[in-house]
Amino acid sequence: DTAVSQTPKYLVTQMGNDKSIKCEQNLGHDTMYWYKQDSKKFLKIMFSYNNKELIINETVPNRFSPKSPDKAHLNLHINSLELGDSAVYFCASSQGLAGGRGETQYFGPGTRLLVL
Amino acid sequence: AQTVTQSQPEMSVQEAETVTLSCTYDTSENNYYLFWYKQPPSRQMILVIRQEAYKQQNATENRFSVNFQKAAKSFSLKISDSQLGDTAMYFCAYGGSNYKLTFGKGTLLTVNP
Repeated sequence: DTAVSQTPKYLVTQMGNDKSIKCEQNLGHDTMYWYKQDSKKFLKIMFSYNNKELIINETVPNRFSPKSPDKAHLNLHINSLELGDSAVYFCASSQGLAGGRGETQYFGPGTRLLVL
Repeated sequence: AQTVTQSQPEMSVQEAETVTLSCTYDTSENNYYLFWYKQPPSRQMILVIRQEAYKQQNATENRFSVNFQKAAKSFSLKISDSQLGDTAMYFCAYGGSNYKLTFGKGTLLTVNP
């Protein structure tokens, strides 16, 4: 059973298009996250939701919009895709709020997005 | 803001030998957690080990152990009896009061046969 799953695993699209990445976790966790990993492997948080409420919203262009229909799902919608959006996007989840509470984050397999 | 520095972009080790990956961090907080995550070529991020800052004792998980020096803000990872499957990118991460993890830039470890 996959704990944190993402679809699709690969996404190739043209500049200017709109695309979505879906994430689901079956761990019963309260908190979910989106991370972006760039071509140099640097991993940076984008968003975090706790019980469907937005907790963290880092400096991300407003073309990126997360949506959490329920605690088990956190989707990422990207409008007007740009070349610089090419990256690997990871979804993650934790039981409670991560960070100083020490909650382990469980990551999905990542979605490699390539914008042409 | 917290920062995490991994000063070794790449390292290599012979199979069965021991290797230590370095990590330093900067924070003004007293209570926090530190983590090492592993990302093999499959791309999956996997937790290797975690340390609570208020615990003096260094965490260990089988062949993986840490050397946590709170005053020096240092958190190194030691891998004993290295195996080919340990080849991966290793990320050090800091978890503080702001509910998020801050990651270092990673160290690419190659285990050679």
